[in-house]
Amino acid sequence: EAQVTQNPRYLITVTGKKLTVTCSQNMNHEYMSWYRQDPGLGLRQIYYSMNVEVTDKGDVPEGYKVSRKEKRNFPLILESPSPNQTSLYFCASSLVGGDNQPQHFGDGTRLSIL
Amino acid sequence: DAKTTQPPSMDCAEGRAANLPCNHSTISGNEYVYWYRQIHSQGPQYIIHGLKNNETNEMASLIITEDRKSSTLILPHATLRDTAVYYCIVRVVFGGYQKVTFGTGTKLQVIP
Repeated sequence: EAQVTQNPRYLITVTGKKLTVTCSQNMNHEYMSWYRQDPGLGLRQIYYSMNVEVTDKGDVPEGYKVSRKEKRNFPLILESPSPNQTSLYFCASSLVGGDNQPQHFGDGTRLSIL
Repeated sequence: DAKTTQPPSMDCAEGRAANLPCNHSTISGNEYVYWYRQIHSQGPQYIIHGLKNNETNEMASLIITEDRKSSTLILPHATLRDTAVYYCIVRVVFGGYQKVTFGTGTKLQVIP
């Protein structure tokens, strides 16, 4: 089944403790992205990657890192999490295509930073 | 940057057409309009997208005005399972560049 898989689905942690949220897709998509969703603000793009070893900042990259060492994986790293990073996070992937192929989203990761 | 504006909520009777509007008056020529929906806090589900022509698929129709400043998502026969938050998105993917702008969504309640 074609899917985007995020882990963990839920995490409660404390300020300053490094964490990684994994994202994996099995559709051989070139593009992958991370979003955060906050009440009243909708979804905002954090980082995206067009292919292996190529990443770029979205609208809200501060406090996050990403890497793209393999085409299928795009982990989101919070080196020193803070309470303002408490949010619902989504990973998405898409093909590169002339008509802007749609993104496929994972089921989300709910992070609580205490 | 393109912005999208949607009404915060709408009701629709079951079996009737649901027409969800979106304003994107600052859209640029290479930006596509996408519609997704989100049920509770699940991952957004793709519905339809288009550049300037009207589009139809098995889920919905998308009507884009000629000046591309607004669009309407039409669910032709709404069912209770269509109750969700619907997002209008403007997105461009060009070479290595991606810009995505989500609206704040319309909460559609389908009423029996």
